[in-house]
Amino acid sequence: KQEVTQIPAALSVPEGENLVLNCSFTDSAIYNLQWFRQDPGKGLTSLLLIQSSQREQTSGRLNASLDKSSGRSTLYIAASQPGDSATYLCAVLFYNQGGKLIFGQGTELSVKP
Amino acid sequence: EAQVTQNPRYLITVTGKKLTVTCSQNMNHEYMSWYRQDPGLGLRQIYYSMNVEVTDKGDVPEGYKVSRKEKRNFPLILESPSPNQTSLYFCASSLHYGYTFGSGTRLTVV
Repeated sequence: KQEVTQIPAALSVPEGENLVLNCSFTDSAIYNLQWFRQDPGKGLTSLLLIQSSQREQTSGRLNASLDKSSGRSTLYIAASQPGDSATYLCAVLFYNQGGKLIFGQGTELSVKP
Repeated sequence: EAQVTQNPRYLITVTGKKLTVTCSQNMNHEYMSWYRQDPGLGLRQIYYSMNVEVTDKGDVPEGYKVSRKEKRNFPLILESPSPNQTSLYFCASSLHYGYTFGSGTRLTVV
């Protein structure tokens, strides 16, 4: 069964700290991997999309890496701010899932002023 | 602006009263799908559509119907809602590279 796991489930850091969120997946046959942000009760905002042929993507203070062979992705957030507080979701598009995204359970991030 | 639009954002209804949640995208995407999000269960796919008139079941299709008569619209229909369908619902569309999600519909069935 293809699964996506995110560790840790929750993380609290002081403002200004650099941090890493982890995502692992059970099958290397992926089409792409996407990181989303979700504020409480709100929609999913796409942060970064990494195609299977890519190693990393960057947007502002965010950097996502992909290592298909080990089944891992990381989301690096530099100089964290209270406004970064949200749940971060990793989602994988596997080849044989008919286009269905499989989501991890998310990491709830709290950045303290 | 490229977006997926869902309506309504919030809905409280009674058991058994048919309802429709609308979803529309302006990106000419072929692929559209519906997810529900529940605490502890995460996001699960309900139905998806590869193109007009092509739909298929996801992981949790029971109690739901969909239709895809036009490329831009993909409504979710609950013929006889029950309390276990209380959830946060998301519509999404995709064109090969990456998903765009709607803002969500919070449905409460009493």
